[in-house]
Amino acid sequence: SQTIHQWPATLVQPVGSPLSLECTVEGTSNPNLYWYRQAAGRGLQLLFYSVGIGQISSEVPQNLSASRPQDRQFILSSKKLLLSDSGFYLCAWNSGSTDTQYFGPGTRLTVL
Amino acid sequence: GDSVTQMEGPVTLSEEAFLTINCTYTATGYPSLFWYVQYPGEGLQLLLKATKADDKGSNKGFEATYRKETTSFHLEKGSVQVSDSAVYFCACASGSARQLTFGSGTQLTVLP
Repeated sequence: SQTIHQWPATLVQPVGSPLSLECTVEGTSNPNLYWYRQAAGRGLQLLFYSVGIGQISSEVPQNLSASRPQDRQFILSSKKLLLSDSGFYLCAWNSGSTDTQYFGPGTRLTVL
Repeated sequence: GDSVTQMEGPVTLSEEAFLTINCTYTATGYPSLFWYVQYPGEGLQLLLKATKADDKGSNKGFEATYRKETTSFHLEKGSVQVSDSAVYFCACASGSARQLTFGSGTQLTVLP
């Protein structure tokens, strides 16, 4: 069966520091991968998605970037965090043959 | 672009009450429709889905019917339990990349 992992689970970072969040999927190959952000009390905002290694589509221009160095690995990064980057970051995947996305447990990021 | 509009929350019900959470969508083509549930501090879990008009998705006593004529996918449950307390998200997938567009979420609290 397929599983999706995210780490770290929680992170507290000062403004201006770098960020690296990692997401990996097991039990499938060539998944579509997605990063979402959920601000406190709000819905989900799609940040990036990837349909293959090295292929990244950005939905919202911002302080963040994404990379996909391996087939089942998706990384969310920032060079300098802003206060507004605080939120709950969710990674998701689906296969090319289905619309259904499956979500990881999320990373709670607090920027102070 | 696509959009999903959900009933504003929060919703508070007594145990065994009937639940309806309204959801309408605007999308091109033939979207798939989903309900996801998020328990506190966790990622999103797929609750149910429907992929074409008049399909009914169901799971754990929850149901939703894909109504193309009214562009709606309302979530219903005949008798809610305390354990159903969570945030519920309606979503649609359309377009060539089948990206998910989420509603803003509805917080449900069920009191014993």
